[in-house]
Amino acid sequence: QVQLHQWGAGLVRPSETLSLTCAVSGGSFIGYSYSWIRQSPGKGLEWIGDVDQTGSSTYNPSLESRVTISVDTSKSQFSLRLSSVTAADTAFYYCARVVRNWSNGPKWFDPWGQGTLVTVSS
Amino acid sequence: DIQMTQSPSSLSASVGDRVTITCRASQSLSSYLNWYQQKPGKAPNLVIFVASRLQSGVPSRFSGSGSGTDFTLTINGLQPEDFATYFCQQSYSAPYTFGQGTRLEIK
Repeated sequence: QVQLHQWGAGLVRPSETLSLTCAVSGGSFIGYSYSWIRQSPGKGLEWIGDVDQTGSSTYNPSLESRVTISVDTSKSQFSLRLSSVTAADTAFYYCARVVRNWSNGPKWFDPWGQGTLVTVSS
Repeated sequence: DIQMTQSPSSLSASVGDRVTITCRASQSLSSYLNWYQQKPGKAPNLVIFVASRLQSGVPSRFSGSGSGTDFTLTINGLQPEDFATYFCQQSYSAPYTFGQGTRLEIK
């Protein structure tokens, strides 16, 4: 059974960079893309971006100027960096595997990591 | 961005009831619509994908239907473990967006 486990700093100072990592275990890392999604009371669930195994990434335009999602296939891990954070970036952050039946077909997020509450505060 | 609107925002029901949650998209999604269940303090969990396909391990009392802009999630015979918040999500075009959620509470 595939599991995603994530970790990273839970408190980040304003203007600094949020950094989280997610490790995939219990199944093949190859053949999938991976996503970061966040959830806050004010904005609900928000897709941040995807990365595939070549390192090619797609980002939400609302965050694109500040986001980097990278992959390390040798470790079955992928990471999120969000720069210049403000209080508006305070949220639960989730990693998730992207599943799709065929290239360019419909896709869904399954499974998800356990979530990390990241608070932006001085 | 595609806007996803769920209704109702909250719903009270009893064990054994049949409930339906609706999700409407601001443009056609074909069948690129997924449903997730989230319990307090936990990550969302996939219930239905591609509008009507039941995720492995999810009880058959859950079903999904719809295409285009209008979709429904139905639970036939509510069980205590079904009381949670449900979200729809479109994967038709990036940025992939979610509904605001429907909180299903015990009456």
